[in-house]
Amino acid sequence: AQSVTQLDSQVPVFEEAPVELRCNYSSSVSVYLFWYVQYPNQGLQLLLKYLSGSTLVKGINGFEAEFNKSQTSFHLRKPSVHISDTAEYFCAVRNTGFQKLVFGTGTRLLVSP
Amino acid sequence: DAEITQSPRHKITETGRQVTLACHQTWNHNNMFWYRQDLGHGLRLIHYSYGVQDTNKGEVSDGYSVSRSNTEDLPLTLESAASSQTSVYFCASSADGDEQFFGPGTRLTVL
Repeated sequence: AQSVTQLDSQVPVFEEAPVELRCNYSSSVSVYLFWYVQYPNQGLQLLLKYLSGSTLVKGINGFEAEFNKSQTSFHLRKPSVHISDTAEYFCAVRNTGFQKLVFGTGTRLLVSP
Repeated sequence: DAEITQSPRHKITETGRQVTLACHQTWNHNNMFWYRQDLGHGLRLIHYSYGVQDTNKGEVSDGYSVSRSNTEDLPLTLESAASSQTSVYFCASSADGDEQFFGPGTRLTVL
């Protein structure tokens, strides 16, 4: 079975500063990895995904993530955040042979001026 | 444009009542999922379906049921609502091997 750990429940950051949201996973089989964003009172929207190929994945809104198999991590980064990036971010993993997603508990990114 | 919708968006009910939450997608996706979102738990899978007449239990299925009679709909039923089922419920769908697309959510309060 897979599991996902997002150690930071909340990350405060100033506008235009860089940010990294951490995600570690555990799995005994090959996985696909995802980052979703949830704005207040909305559903989840896909930011980016790693299925195969380059370990550096670029997503929407200037976000990117790097898959590190040896450290079982998939950290999300953005070099310069905006107020509008304030949201909840979820890391998720699924077995390559199945469709079910396992989610982390989420990290709330708070961007202040 | 294809989409996934949920209704109602907000629901207040009483303990012991049966409640059904609707999920409808026009993506023609085979796979559909129901999650609940609670503070400190992220999203947890309740039930899922890989096609018509197929349903499977997720990690928190007790007290919930689903049925899949067509490709577009996966209604979630709470047989006898309990206060512990107060939550925000999300429906999602996907094609095989692809990302999941989420609905806007239903906020359910059980008094």
